[in-house]
Amino acid sequence: EAEVAQSPRYKITEKSQAVAFWCDPISGHATLYWYRQILGQGPELLVQFQDESVVDDSQLPKDRFSAERLKGVDSTLKIQPAELGDSAMYLCASSLSVKGENEKLFFGSGTQLSVL
Amino acid sequence: GNSVTQMEGPVTLSEEAFLTINCTYTATGYPSLFWYVQYPGEGLQLLLKATKADDKGSNKGFEATYRKETTSFHLEKGSVQVSDSAVYFCAHTSGGSYIPTFGRGTSLIVHP
Repeated sequence: EAEVAQSPRYKITEKSQAVAFWCDPISGHATLYWYRQILGQGPELLVQFQDESVVDDSQLPKDRFSAERLKGVDSTLKIQPAELGDSAMYLCASSLSVKGENEKLFFGSGTQLSVL
Repeated sequence: GNSVTQMEGPVTLSEEAFLTINCTYTATGYPSLFWYVQYPGEGLQLLLKATKADDKGSNKGFEATYRKETTSFHLEKGSVQVSDSAVYFCAHTSGGSYIPTFGRGTSLIVHP
């Protein structure tokens, strides 16, 4: 079965450094989501793309976070500079389209970020 | 606002015990309701869903019924297995948004 690919699996960095995460959604999936999951909490949406366009980035801390999906396929999420409070699991998900409310999301295994 | 509330974990059971994980929601309009499961080291997977009142979602022996009168979507399984050990997330979409809002998750630990 096709999967959402994410890398790296783990990332340890020092505060004030830059970090980047990569996601490759399931082929043909137009919609891509980045979620942040703090330990003991549910995933919270950071940004949603429809093809190469941002649909919703209202919860993305834009002073330090950026996301792009230049060709409408894979995506990169960047944090610069990283802060201690950014330590979390960063999950990527994709779905066929955003038009169906009951659209099934497929999640990757995530990138576990630790900021020291 | 829209939110999902799940029972605190961890829930610890012996194999073959009956499982209930409570979930209640607040939402505008008529939400769709979901249960996702996250096995250790893996991403979230959709377990089951219900899209209207009184619908019952089911999969892999798990069930949940959409109860509009109590705004609940409790997850149940008659006989749990060790392999069911995971974190379970209740979620909904509502108010015209197609993006799920997730609860905090409930960890289930099943002992042999």
